[in-house]
Amino acid sequence: NAGVMQNPRHLVRRRGQEARLRCSPMKGHSHVYWYRQLPEEGLKFMVYLQKENIIDESGMPKERFSAEFPKEGPSILRIQQVVRGDSAAYFCASSPAKGQNTEAFFGQGTRLTVV
Amino acid sequence: RKEVEQDPGPFNVPEGATVAFNCTYSNSASQSFFWYRQDCRKEPKLLMSVYSSGNEDGRFTAQLNRASQYISLLIRDSKLSDSATYLCVVNGLTGGGNKLTFGTGTQLKVEL
Repeated sequence: NAGVMQNPRHLVRRRGQEARLRCSPMKGHSHVYWYRQLPEEGLKFMVYLQKENIIDESGMPKERFSAEFPKEGPSILRIQQVVRGDSAAYFCASSPAKGQNTEAFFGQGTRLTVV
Repeated sequence: RKEVEQDPGPFNVPEGATVAFNCTYSNSASQSFFWYRQDCRKEPKLLMSVYSSGNEDGRFTAQLNRASQYISLLIRDSKLSDSATYLCVVNGLTGGGNKLTFGTGTQLKVEL
């Protein structure tokens, strides 16, 4: 049973390019979360998705960032027109259907570097 | 007030010491609670869930005080390998699902 898979593990983009980060949840998990971790800082919630639905995007910057979790395929976090300040580790987590005491399992993260 | 607050540390302790971390949360409707561990530049991993009655797993003990909205983690007989950042996590059900909110973490350094 593979864990949460994120790819790529490392991504380098020039300012102004687009970054696409992928996350395949654990088998049987229908909830996906994206978190951003800036250097030397804590994890910041970005967005929470279920299949084909955004449940909570209160942590997403209003511009340039979008996320989706289609019926088929991985969840995608897209960052358009990247800037240096977008350089960070982006972690995806998944959990099974809702319920109390439902912990989340994390992928190894994508480290985005904007040059 | 932050949703989940932790003392960032670092806590520098000698091997064999007992160390305690505290965490407070602001949403009284929060349903479940966890401690995660994060090693440098790695993904967070679940250490243990926290139950109202308190729970223990080997050298680790977690406690929850709902009235005070306070969570704690106690590590006994600390090992060098315990050096990491410990994240307090609160699950506040939202929109029919789960939203896990992380504290910024408490850094622990165990030294010889």
